[in-house]
Amino acid sequence: DQQVKQNSPSLSVQEGRISILNCDYTNSMFDYFLWYKKYPAEGPTFLISISSIKDKNEDGRFTVFLNKSAKHLSLHIVPSQPGDSAVYFCAASYGGTASKLTFGTGTRLQVTL
Amino acid sequence: GAGVSQSPSNKVTEKGKDVELRCDPISGHTALYWYRQSLGQGLEFLIYFQGNSAPDKSGLPSDRFSAERTGGSVSTLTIQRTQQEDSAVYLCASSLPRSGGLSSYEQYFGPGTRLTVT
Repeated sequence: DQQVKQNSPSLSVQEGRISILNCDYTNSMFDYFLWYKKYPAEGPTFLISISSIKDKNEDGRFTVFLNKSAKHLSLHIVPSQPGDSAVYFCAASYGGTASKLTFGTGTRLQVTL
Repeated sequence: GAGVSQSPSNKVTEKGKDVELRCDPISGHTALYWYRQSLGQGLEFLIYFQGNSAPDKSGLPSDRFSAERTGGSVSTLTIQRTQQEDSAVYLCASSLPRSGGLSSYEQYFGPGTRLTVT
């Protein structure tokens, strides 16, 4: 069962516009959510996170929104830049001092000129 | 400081052979994780180690897979009698422990080992 879902396998956005990547989850025990960015032939790189007690976290051009009642989170990138082109993974975890991450299948973002 | 390193970066092996994949976590990170990414899939959790606690092996797909972590640092993932469906990128990550509750933490990933079973 896919507990974390990214239903859009790809997204194309023009440079300077907003990119919105979506993620849905089914396990209500998840209490921490992360976004990772992955370039080809590299490991995922941490981007931004949010705990379940918040509904928004912002870091520069990146903002993550969490809607617990809808079990939905989104990543907003504004303005989008060509260097943002990568695969973005949503991940979730719960409890403990070290917890496995459950990942979505990823969304490939392409930022065009 | 140095990030998470993995070796080899690429491994091609024949079906039925055993392979060992190595991970060097970030110094001071007590938690270490193994994931794999098959073609077109997300990252799939395999196993994690936290300090001296018993590892969480709940993600290992079969008893052909095993991992150990020596001295609380370097980890080796071993796949015995490899099968073609084992072909994937195997990723290692490490992190500091969450200090409890809803504290933030991130896992830092290595570049991965691409395993191809022919």
